[in-house]
Amino acid sequence: GAGVSQTPSNKVTEKGKYVELRCDPISGHTALYWYRQSLGQGPEFLIYFQGTGAADDSGLPNDRFFAVRPEGSVSTLKIQRTERGDSAVYLCASSLGTSGLNEQFFGPGTRLTVL
Amino acid sequence: SQQGEEDPQALSIQEGENATMNCSYKTSINNLQWYRQNSGRGLVHLILIRSNEREKHSGRLRVTLDTSKKSSSLLITASRAADTASYFCATDAYSGAGSYQLTFGKGTKLSVIP
Repeated sequence: GAGVSQTPSNKVTEKGKYVELRCDPISGHTALYWYRQSLGQGPEFLIYFQGTGAADDSGLPNDRFFAVRPEGSVSTLKIQRTERGDSAVYLCASSLGTSGLNEQFFGPGTRLTVL
Repeated sequence: SQQGEEDPQALSIQEGENATMNCSYKTSINNLQWYRQNSGRGLVHLILIRSNEREKHSGRLRVTLDTSKKSSSLLITASRAADTASYFCATDAYSGAGSYQLTFGKGTKLSVIP
């Protein structure tokens, strides 16, 4: 079956612009995570959804970042007034549940470049 | 913030040799996972070891976990050129907000020379 997909694969934008990054999780996976990976670093947690609700948004760096998952499937990460420091690869992952033993399946990521 | 630290940061070996990567972490964990990331591609899950396990095998992979030292190691035996990638350990601790978010280290970049 299809894995986690993310669009676009690359996004170049100018400082101050608004961007949306999309994640399509594996069908039937209720848990969805967003991570951000800067160059030379491991991924860092941003936000977690269980179903439609954001159960844990403690990793969002500031209020310019927001994410939604209105129907409990596709999720969109939204970044307002982008800054050069937002440049990174944004990874989405989904899992069957949240028992802690469920493998998280990652998408290929969206590479965001803010000029 | 990064919980784990992999060691070494980079490792270069000849095809057929074994590769050992280490990971240290700071807080109590639910389990520890190892992931591989090829250049330009997403993270691929390799193996999960629970906090009450000490060793686990999967094909050419062997993972150990020492919770008293807060450390883990990943051994890849009989390496192949296709094993060239970055390897990350990730700890999985319940956040208290319903999520088992993964906390990654910075990774070990492995190069296997044919």
